[in-house]
Amino acid sequence: EDQVTQSPEALRLQEGESSSLNCSYTVSGLRGLFWYRQDPGKGPEFLFTLYSAGEEKEKERLKATLTKKESFLHITAPKPEDSATYLCAVQAASNYQLIWGAGTKLIIKP
Amino acid sequence: DGGITQSPKYLFRKEGQNVTLSCEQNLNHDAMYWYRQDPGQGLRLIYYSQIVNDFQKGDIAEGYSVSREKKESFPLTVTSAQKNPTAFYLCASSRGGGITDTQYFGPGTRLTVL
Repeated sequence: EDQVTQSPEALRLQEGESSSLNCSYTVSGLRGLFWYRQDPGKGPEFLFTLYSAGEEKEKERLKATLTKKESFLHITAPKPEDSATYLCAVQAASNYQLIWGAGTKLIIKP
Repeated sequence: DGGITQSPKYLFRKEGQNVTLSCEQNLNHDAMYWYRQDPGQGLRLIYYSQIVNDFQKGDIAEGYSVSREKKESFPLTVTSAQKNPTAFYLCASSRGGGITDTQYFGPGTRLTVL
């Protein structure tokens, strides 16, 4: 069964304290892996798409990486405005639908 | 500005009522989607449409209905048959065409059953 698991469920960091969020997946052939950011009461905002193992993408303090079994979202020197829930989704080769993880709630304390 | 709009932002439903959530996009996207989001769970697909006048059921279509009469619009009706409709509803769109393409989301509608 295709599945996506995100960890940890919640992560509290001090401003400037770098860390990583994990998205592990089991799908029968990966077509793409997506990262989104969601603020409370709002729709998800697209961050990155990764297509193949070894691929990396960066945007400001965020860097996403991909292996054959998982993706990491690395956050370098985070600021309070980076606080949000980060969602991961995968698209299997056999199906155009996205399979979503439950998200990681990130809290950055000043 | 191109984007996706959803209305209303908040919606209250009484038991036994049908309610309709609006979703409009001006991105010229072919594909549109409806998701339901509950606390602690991943987004779950209700319905999707890859072209006008065609749509398919997602994982949790029971108690919901949709139409796709225009490319820009994909309204969702929550019927009285949906036993637990209180949730955050998200509409999304993508270019479509059977490729790996990014879904872009609207701001959401929070539905509460009174």
